[in-house]
Amino acid sequence: DAKTTQPPSMDCAEGRAANLPCNHSTISGNEYVYWYRQIHSQGPQYIIHGLKNNETNEMASLIITEDRKSSTLILPHATLRDTAVYYCIVRDGANNLFFGTGTRLTVIP
Amino acid sequence: NAGVTQTPKFRILKIGQSMTLQCTQDMNHNYMYWYRQDPGMGLKLIYYSVGAGITDKGEVPNGYNVSRSTTEDFPLRLELAAPSQTSVYFCASSYQNNEQFFGPGTRLTVL
Repeated sequence: DAKTTQPPSMDCAEGRAANLPCNHSTISGNEYVYWYRQIHSQGPQYIIHGLKNNETNEMASLIITEDRKSSTLILPHATLRDTAVYYCIVRDGANNLFFGTGTRLTVIP
Repeated sequence: NAGVTQTPKFRILKIGQSMTLQCTQDMNHNYMYWYRQDPGMGLKLIYYSVGAGITDKGEVPNGYNVSRSTTEDFPLRLELAAPSQTSVYFCASSYQNNEQFFGPGTRLTVL
């Protein structure tokens, strides 16, 4: 079963920051939080991952709370091409990803 | 690099037929995975492999078989197709525990 909880849908105005929340209250100490997105019916695309510290790359930032029970993915300047389903995933020790149903982000012009 | 390629893109099977979904990666990744995605749902892991000759079951392995004779290829076999296996199948690969790269998917319908 999925180990994360996300809102089913969110809207964001183009050019604004999109903040996508995720709860993973049962996460274990050695489990990573991963974010992927899926545009239309394409294969999922990796965005970012983290263990304890906040992370940033060219696509997004990941903020993980100190107790590691929740996290937020931030797309700093959302574009129409960021419209997708975003999955927050806990990766177990065997590198298996447990997908939930994700958040459908719609970027509005 | 082509990345992860999957064939066929679409397939319709009759109940009881068998088929093999092909997956190939050219990134020299040692880990490979098969997922299925039912409508409106997230992906579920069917099987995975951490190297040639090694395979392990994921969340939903029943009705499927895999083999990994080479680093590049990881075919998924359906022996007796059932309507419950109607889904989109994604293959993925990774180097060790790094991020997974996904193929474009195979859309399978069993009637």
